[in-house]
Amino acid sequence: EIVMTQSPATLSVSPGEGATLSCRASQSVHSNLAWYQQKPGQAPRLLLYGASTRATGIPARFSGSGSGTEFTLTISSLQSEDFAVYYCQQYNNWPPVFTFGPGTKVDIK
Amino acid sequence: EVQLVESGGGLVQPGGSLRLSCAASGFTFSHYEMNWVRQSPGKGLEWLSYISSSGSTIFYADSVKGRFTISRDNAKNSLYLRMNSLRAEDTAVYYCARMDGYKSPLDYWGQGTLVTVSS
Repeated sequence: EIVMTQSPATLSVSPGEGATLSCRASQSVHSNLAWYQQKPGQAPRLLLYGASTRATGIPARFSGSGSGTEFTLTISSLQSEDFAVYYCQQYNNWPPVFTFGPGTKVDIK
Repeated sequence: EVQLVESGGGLVQPGGSLRLSCAASGFTFSHYEMNWVRQSPGKGLEWLSYISSSGSTIFYADSVKGRFTISRDNAKNSLYLRMNSLRAEDTAVYYCARMDGYKSPLDYWGQGTLVTVSS
């Protein structure tokens, strides 16, 4: 099973500042990596897939990079609605044993 | 607008059974693969099961293999998860999620339904 790790566990950021979140896979997942945002009481929402492609309706302040085992989600200027938990997920396996990282909570500094 | 609405959650005793449903609308359900994912209270996300668009191909996580059964009814635009031999550690919010093809992310999720396993 591919194990996903994320760092940091919590990131405290002031509105308007940027944030960089990291995700690492225990083995190469190529570019088959997605990022999700989850707010309290809500379902996860797809932000990015293919490591760097924004999903429909996702603002340009969200960007992603990386391939293989190291990935980064960057939020260029945090808005109030961006404070949430962010998960990475690999979907490289087939049969699909998809695995998620433990999440990074972005909270208000 | 794509919508996925789960139902069927509730309180069940250890060893009991439950069937979850996921009603889909806003897209051609029969064209898409579907998945179940759960999230234990205060914990992360765990993928549980996958079913192909026709229902002919099914996969499970080891944690639920032999206890849970995924199925779908394309005529009713519905996805199901039959859960047997439930344990306390199955307590979680259960989400259905759509997938658009081979090696694709989960692009739309339902709002989830809470399953609590307790005596």
